[in-house]
Formats: sequence, structure tokens, C-alpha cells
Amino acid sequence: DQQVKQNSPSLSVQEGRISILNCDYTNSMFDYFLWYKKYPAEGPTFLISISSIKDKNEDGRFTVFLNKSAKHLSLHIVPSQPGDSAVYFCAASPYNNNDMRFGAGTRLTVKP
Amino acid sequence: DTGVSQDPRHKITKRGQNVTFRCDPISEHNRLYWYRQTLGQGPEFLTYFQNEAQLEKSRLLSDRFSAERPKGSFSTLEIQRTEQGDSAMYLCASSLSGWTYGYTFGSGTRLTVV
Repeated sequence: DQQVKQNSPSLSVQEGRISILNCDYTNSMFDYFLWYKKYPAEGPTFLISISSIKDKNEDGRFTVFLNKSAKHLSLHIVPSQPGDSAVYFCAASPYNNNDMRFGAGTRLTVKP
Repeated sequence: DTGVSQDPRHKITKRGQNVTFRCDPISEHNRLYWYRQTLGQGPEFLTYFQNEAQLEKSRLLSDRFSAERPKGSFSTLEIQRTEQGDSAMYLCASSLSGWTYGYTFGSGTRLTVV
């Protein structure tokens, strides 16, 4: 059962432009949502998170938006840089945080 | 602190053999997780420990899989009688109780069953 879905396997943007990565979920018990970034031959690295009581969280160039009614979240990267090229995973967890579900990932390529 | 360490990085084994992987979490982290990732998919939850207690196991974790975390420090994941379908990246992560800062993942152990 794929409770977290990232429908775009890849995204290509020009350096300096905005990157928007999308994620949908089905389980209404999810309370926490996270984005991870993964470079080849490394484990995923935590990027940014948001709880269900918020609809936006910003950290530098990265902003995550949550639309609970639509069960949708997105990650905005502005401005995009070539070093942002990686696979981005959306993840969601219920309150007890012991069964985090991941999407299949979106490969972002930022072209110089 | 060098983060979460996993050993070995790569393991090639023949079908039917047993394999064991090790994970050393960040020392102050009381939670430890095992995930499995196959090509084109995100990490899938296998099991998690709080200190030395294994508190949850996914139905993905068949009877051939066993995990331990003696003394609440490092953890081992053993796969008995390996099958080709076990070929995957096995990721370990650790965290403090609570979620705010996410998990810290290791670089994983890539298992190939031939």
C-alpha cells in the first residue's frame, strides 16, 4: 500500500529558477511530514519538516507547504542551484514517529 | 561523532547463505530503525528499536530476518537463507525520541544475492 506518492520521477529546472516537488498522501493519521535529499552512494539526509498544525515552514531557500484537505505537500526551492541536484524523498509519519513512510522519490536536476 | 555507520558497504552472497549487517547509530540517539530500499522505490520500514527493545516490526520482515540491538547501542540485521528478492539497499537510521529533526541515515549496505 503506497500511502505516500511522488508522481513525478524526475524534474529538470534551470539554475536560479524555482523547483517545485510534489507529494500526495492517503493516510489521514499522518501528523508529520518531512523531505529528505539523497545523493548517490549516501543515505537520505533530512532537509525540512512540517507538522500538521502548520501549512508552511521555511528554511532558507527551502519552503514546504502542506494542504491537509487535499492531502498534498510540496517543496519549493528558490533559487535552485546545481548542488541541489539529487533525489528528493517525501516522508510522512504518525504522531508516534516509528513507522515513517516514504515516497518513491523525485530526481531533481538543476542545469547551470 | 561521525554519524550513523553501516558495515559492510557492499555484500555479495550466494542464494541460501546467511548474512549479517551492522549499524552503529549516533551515540546519544535512543531510537534505531532499519529500512530497505529497492531500485526506483523509497525506503521501506522494516523495524525499529527504542534503546534495546524492538518495538515494531513490519510485515515485510519475514521469519528469515532478525534484528537485535544488545545494550541499546549498535544493531545487527541478519538474513537467513537469502533469496534473490532480498537484493536491496539496507539502510539504518537513528534519532532521538520525537521527530522534529528527522532521522539520521547511514550510507547503507547494498546486498546482492546471486
